[in-house]
Amino acid sequence: EPEVTQTPSHQVTQMGQEVILRCVPISNHLYFYWYRQILGQKVEFLVSFYNNEISEKSEIFDDQFSVERPDGSNFTLKIRSTKLEDSAMYFCASSPTGEDGYTFGSGTRLTVV
Amino acid sequence: AQSVTQLGSHVSVSEGALVLLRCNYSSSVPPYLFWYVQYPNQGLQLLLKYTTGATLVKGINGFEAEFKKSETSFHLTKPSAHMSDAAEYFCAVSDGYGGSQGNLIFGKGTKLSVKP
Repeated sequence: EPEVTQTPSHQVTQMGQEVILRCVPISNHLYFYWYRQILGQKVEFLVSFYNNEISEKSEIFDDQFSVERPDGSNFTLKIRSTKLEDSAMYFCASSPTGEDGYTFGSGTRLTVV
Repeated sequence: AQSVTQLGSHVSVSEGALVLLRCNYSSSVPPYLFWYVQYPNQGLQLLLKYTTGATLVKGINGFEAEFKKSETSFHLTKPSAHMSDAAEYFCAVSDGYGGSQGNLIFGKGTKLSVKP
């Protein structure tokens, strides 16, 4: 069964450093998403991406965050200058239409120290 | 604004017993409703969804959920729990509209434990 692949599974970074979280969505999907889950809290929407541009973003997705689909297969989330409160599990998801539910990746656990 | 409330952060049942995980939502438009399951160290897997049509939806692993508009609920049930059902379950709502095709709003999750 097709899956969404995320790398790395766990990343530790120092506060202030830039991190790039990588995702390979399912190949025929058109909609891409990033969500995050801070330990013990809800899964929260960050950003959706369609037709090579951001279609919607939440209040969490401030200027420190950016997304890119650099080569037609990868979908990346960049955090420019990480803060302690960015520590969370980050999930990538993709969907063929957006209405059928998403396929989520296994997540990247980001720890900022 | 949409929201999801899952009653009970932790539910424990015996193997073979009924599983009932509660979800209530609020939405100003007809909602799309989803249940996801997360096994340890894995991603979120879609269990079932309601968009339109039949209000009782069946999903994978013997789970089903019923959309009750009058109660704004979408509770998840399984007649007989299995040890392999132990996981965290998330209810989510989407408006299903707009160019973004709707983004998911998740509940806090309910951790299901199954005792032998």
